[in-house]
Amino acid sequence: AQKVTQAQTEISVVEKEDVTLDCVYETRDTTYYLFWYKQPPSGELVFLIRRNSFDEQNEISGRYSWNFQKSTSSFNFTITASQVVDSAVYFCALSGGDVNAGNNRKLIWGLGTSLAVNP
Amino acid sequence: DGGITQSPKYLFRKEGQNVTLSCEQNLNHDAMYWYRQDPGQGLRLIYYSQIVNDFQKGDIAEGYSVSREKKESFPLTVTSAQKNPTAFYLCASSIPGTSGTIFGPGTRLTVL
Repeated sequence: AQKVTQAQTEISVVEKEDVTLDCVYETRDTTYYLFWYKQPPSGELVFLIRRNSFDEQNEISGRYSWNFQKSTSSFNFTITASQVVDSAVYFCALSGGDVNAGNNRKLIWGLGTSLAVNP
Repeated sequence: DGGITQSPKYLFRKEGQNVTLSCEQNLNHDAMYWYRQDPGQGLRLIYYSQIVNDFQKGDIAEGYSVSREKKESFPLTVTSAQKNPTAFYLCASSIPGTSGTIFGPGTRLTVL
């Protein structure tokens, strides 16, 4: 069975602190994708990153970075020098199967981590 | 600008009434999805459609119905059979094979 676990329900930090959001996944697929989405108070889900299972290279985008480790089935998300605008709920998701076959597999979602960045 | 439109943002209905939530996309995406979000439960898939005139049940399809007569549109009807319809509903779309899913702004449905 596929499963995504975000053990941290809520995190509160002070502005400019670094913060890491944890994501642990379970899957038997050999090919899969991992995602992070941001949901600000407005409710709309904003796509942040997609990582495929064959690419374990870490990625950095501005203040955001992602650490993918297949050995521990983790795909953690770090925000450096957090800002108030980073306050949101962050979701990790997993999609498996042969996406190249044109079969867009549904996403399996974690329950989300609510991040509050205080001034 | 390309994107997904969901209307209205807030919707109130009396118990026992059917209600249809609108979802329109101009991204030329083949696949469209409906998710339900409840507090503390993440997102759950209601229905999805890979192509026009075809759709499949997701994990919680009971009490819901959809249609996909046009590529751009994927309306969701919440029927009176849905036991607890009050929730936040998110529509999404993607191009099959890419796994890049884009979400609409959502509709918050409250059944009184």
